[in-house]
Amino acid sequence: DAMVIQNPRYQVTQFGKPVTLSCSQTLNHNVMYWYQQKSSQAPKLLFHYYDKDFNNEADTPDNFQSRRPNTSFCFLDIRSPGLGDAAMYLCATSRDQGSLTYGYTFGSGTRLTVV
Amino acid sequence: GQNIDQPTEMTATEGAIVQINCTYQTSGFNGLFWYQQHAGEAPTFLSYNVLDGLEEKGRFSSFLSRSKGYSYLLLKELQMKDSASYLCAVEGQRNKAAGNKLTFGGGTRVLVKP
Repeated sequence: DAMVIQNPRYQVTQFGKPVTLSCSQTLNHNVMYWYQQKSSQAPKLLFHYYDKDFNNEADTPDNFQSRRPNTSFCFLDIRSPGLGDAAMYLCATSRDQGSLTYGYTFGSGTRLTVV
Repeated sequence: GQNIDQPTEMTATEGAIVQINCTYQTSGFNGLFWYQQHAGEAPTFLSYNVLDGLEEKGRFSSFLSRSKGYSYLLLKELQMKDSASYLCAVEGQRNKAAGNKLTFGGGTRVLVKP
């Protein structure tokens, strides 16, 4: 009954080689988020989709892109990964602007290693 | 801007009580969350406060004072499995552009000793 699924759980990529991380959800939530979390740091929001509308955070590098082809799926593309992009990438969903009594729903995360 | 502060690390003994404080200064406020995160795993939801006061849920309780920009998470009857990081997160503005954006504090690593 997994609700927010991230694949793969662990990803190793080469320096400069494009990589895509995926997130899918069965909750029919209309908002999806991508967070980057480096070791011992707080999760940092990269961008989010409100329905089909893309909202980028001001300090998110251009190297990071996202696609949301439908309600259920959202992808994080890193065009040219650098060593500093090694982190845990968390996908989360929420429903509209309503009450967050039950909080976000996070996926299990993808841990990205850049070699 | 958004600023959320919590202690970096705390140590407590099994069976004891630990209180993790969080202070925040944010543009807009629509609720405060506490999450538990074990090493290498995703955060899991613990509690949500939007009104002043104490919310109790089993061994975990969370308190909020909006006027003081202050919250705490209280962990009672500590167990070894409670060793984890605890993240305070605030939902600021809520609109279509912001979604339900959460800003996280740096997390408090709690170490429970036998």
